[in-house]
Amino acid sequence: EPEVTQTPSHQVTQMGQEVILRCVPISNHLYFYWYRQILGQKVEFLVSFYNNEISEKSEIFDDQFSVERPDGSNFTLKIRSTKLEDSAMYFCASSLLEPGTGQHYSSGNTIYFGEGSWLTVV
Amino acid sequence: DQQVKQNSPSLSVQEGRISILNCDYTNSMFDYFLWYKKYPAEGPTFLISISSIKDKNEDGRFTVFLNKSAKHLSLHIVPSQPGDSAVYFCAAIRDDKIIFGKGTRLHILP
Repeated sequence: EPEVTQTPSHQVTQMGQEVILRCVPISNHLYFYWYRQILGQKVEFLVSFYNNEISEKSEIFDDQFSVERPDGSNFTLKIRSTKLEDSAMYFCASSLLEPGTGQHYSSGNTIYFGEGSWLTVV
Repeated sequence: DQQVKQNSPSLSVQEGRISILNCDYTNSMFDYFLWYKKYPAEGPTFLISISSIKDKNEDGRFTVFLNKSAKHLSLHIVPSQPGDSAVYFCAAIRDDKIIFGKGTRLHILP
């Protein structure tokens, strides 16, 4: 079973510090995503990335956030100056097919999530 | 703006019985609906999907039903097993992102 891997699994950082969350998507996937889940709330979309550029982002993904695929295997989320409200579980995901293309979603070609990086801002 | 709603935060079901998890949505433009299962401290894992042009999809113990007129879908698990205890997220695909519901925590009772 292919998997998306994320590091670190847990990070504690001081408010105002920069944080980089790292992800290794599944190797032949083309679309990459970051989601987050604040404790007790729903999983929220942050950003999608394809062909080395952002294809869509939510209102949560403001100027403090950036994403990068620096070397063709890693996909990173950077938070420049963390705030208390950035404390959440951040999930990376990848897919082979673009959502909504009309392809059938099955266990073989769906959106795979990593196990998450828990960020605590103090 | 809750486009995908799971109104039951938790559900308890006896082992061996049927678990029915419900989900409502507001946007008729969604292309696909998916169910994800999530254990504590793990990422969501894909369970089953249904296209907006279908009304039922079955995969082993899992069946998803879609009622487009009511903008409602449900996940049936039968028979329920202890390992099914988890949080289940209903999700919908629109454009380039998945929109998740808040999740329903399913407890399978011995």
